[in-house]
Amino acid sequence: ETGVTQSPTHLIKTRGQQVTLRCSSQSGHNTVSWYQQALGQGPQFIFQYYREEENGRGNFPPRFSGLQFPNYSSELNVNALELDDSALYLCASSLLSGDRSGELFFGEGSRLTVL
Amino acid sequence: QQQVKQSPQSLIVQKGGISIINCAYENTAFDYFPWYQQFPGKGPALLIAIRPDVSEKKEGRFTISFNKSAKQFSLHIMDSQPGDSATYFCAACNNNDMRFGAGTRLTVKP
Repeated sequence: ETGVTQSPTHLIKTRGQQVTLRCSSQSGHNTVSWYQQALGQGPQFIFQYYREEENGRGNFPPRFSGLQFPNYSSELNVNALELDDSALYLCASSLLSGDRSGELFFGEGSRLTVL
Repeated sequence: QQQVKQSPQSLIVQKGGISIINCAYENTAFDYFPWYQQFPGKGPALLIAIRPDVSEKKEGRFTISFNKSAKQFSLHIMDSQPGDSATYFCAACNNNDMRFGAGTRLTVKP
């Protein structure tokens, strides 16, 4: 059973640029969620994808967008980067079954620095 | 958008002592309450979780106490060890939409 993998692990961008982060879900999971974790803070929910469609969104602007592919892998795209976007971006996969919440399995994250 | 409040922000405990971290939530639709442990440079890892139909769950040295009417839950770490030193996050979840507390940095002194 493979875990959640994210790439790249670290990257540096300048303000105004665009970034794409990638995530491979744990085998058998059908749901991917993305979180932003600023230094010293708890993860903040960005959005969730289920069956290739957005299935919930936190308080993030539209320049944060995502995709989920048929193999359940996912991308997070951030346009027009701002300095405050500097954070650890975490991907978590899970198995959405009926209406019961379940365990999230996190990757180790992609650390984005915006200069 | 903080829906889960966690305290204390930091905690120092002697080896062998009990570590207690508290959380309170607002949304009664939450149906799953996990605790995550995070080491520096790593993603959060599930430690223990509870659903609102029980008031307590114990796994080894870790216990969750849950008070549905007060909308509060807590993590107790018995016989705390230096290897438990990490940041702990409580969370509350509804339909896989998980909201985290701000975290507690636990230091266990030898």
